[in-house]
Amino acid sequence: SQTIHQWPATLVQPVGSPLSLECTVEGTSNPNLYWYRQAAGRGLQLLFYSVGIGQISSEVPQNLSASRPQDRQFILSSKKLLLSDSGFYLCAWSVFLYTEAFFGQGTRLTVV
Amino acid sequence: AQSVAQPEDQVNVAEGNPLTVKCTYSVSGNPYLFWYVQYPNRGLQFLLKYITGDNLVKGSYGFEAEFNKSQTSFHLKKPSALVSDSALYFCAVSGLMYSGGGADGLTFGKGTHLIIQP
Repeated sequence: SQTIHQWPATLVQPVGSPLSLECTVEGTSNPNLYWYRQAAGRGLQLLFYSVGIGQISSEVPQNLSASRPQDRQFILSSKKLLLSDSGFYLCAWSVFLYTEAFFGQGTRLTVV
Repeated sequence: AQSVAQPEDQVNVAEGNPLTVKCTYSVSGNPYLFWYVQYPNRGLQFLLKYITGDNLVKGSYGFEAEFNKSQTSFHLKKPSALVSDSALYFCAVSGLMYSGGGADGLTFGKGTHLIIQP
């Protein structure tokens, strides 16, 4: 069966520090991968998605970037965090872009 | 562009009563519809989906949803609510084009807080 791992679960970082959140998927090949941000326990904002290694689509311009160095690895990064980057970050995968996505457990990022 | 509307920020139901969480959608092409549940500080859990076929689909934890094409709705239902059903619920839609094979990824609604009172 397929599983998705996302870490860390919580993170407190100072303003201006770098960020690296990692997500890996097991049990499937060539998944579509996604990074979402959720503010204040409500709606989801799609940040990035990837349909293959090295292929990244950005949905919103911001202080973040994403990379997919391996088929089942998706990384969310920032060179310098802003206070507004605080939030709950969710990684997800799907077989096709239009089919159900399966989510990791999320990372609570607090920028101080 | 596709969109999802969840008109209620919060739904309150007494334990043992039936519950309904509303969702309407807009999409070009055939709609694929999904419901997810989120508990505090956790990721989203997939509950059920409609792709094609029977308009009433059954999912996890006793939930079901009814697809209504004429009303472009996909309401989530459960015959008898449990306190443990209290959570944040998301409806989502994606669209597979009638021709050309193009597809749009998932678009989520803003979520509905479901509160089951003992």
